[in-house]
Amino acid sequence: ILNVEQSPQSLHVQEGDSTNFTCSFPSSNFYALHWYRWETAKSPEALFVMTLNGDEKKKGRISATLNTKEGYSYLYIKGSQPEDSATYLCASRGRNRDDKIIFGKGTRLHILP
Amino acid sequence: SAVISQKPSRDICQRGTSLTIQCQVDSQVTMMFWYRQQPGQSLTLIATANQGSEATYESGFVIDKFPISRPNLTFSTLTVSNLSPEDSSIYLCSGGTLAGEQYFGPGTRLTVT
Repeated sequence: ILNVEQSPQSLHVQEGDSTNFTCSFPSSNFYALHWYRWETAKSPEALFVMTLNGDEKKKGRISATLNTKEGYSYLYIKGSQPEDSATYLCASRGRNRDDKIIFGKGTRLHILP
Repeated sequence: SAVISQKPSRDICQRGTSLTIQCQVDSQVTMMFWYRQQPGQSLTLIATANQGSEATYESGFVIDKFPISRPNLTFSTLTVSNLSPEDSSIYLCSGGTLAGEQYFGPGTRLTVT
């Protein structure tokens, strides 16, 4: 059974500062790593899907890296803005046909004005 | 990206009653899933909704408690039966595409009193 861990659970960041948080997952049988942003009362929004060791993806001020050998991914936010306040979910999928996406508990990010 | 709508967005129900949640997806979606997020916990897969046949339930979830229908490709319902306070959660409908992407509805926030 996959176990996806995210840290920290909650984070307060001053507007304009940069920040990052971590997702760890079992490296065996790895297939794909997903990052989502989930704002209150909205749908979780897909940010990135990464599959290859060393992958780096970027979307505006947000970027992510992937290390499949050691089983971790970092999400970076540069120059935090109030609209970045959300819960960031990480999810991992295994390689077997019947493997489902397994989610972490999320990192709740609060941007302070 | 796929469009997924869900209703109701929230409800407050009494213990012992049932709540049915509806989910509508657009035609890009081929697979439909139902998730639950209990307070402080990960998004957890309840079941995969199969068109015209019984849903495929994950370990710990049973049809009597969470009956699911999917009469056609783009519509599904989840009923949470015989409600107890432990069922207070956010319930999310999700759709998967042939390209391996997964999209979410805005969720239904259920409070059981």
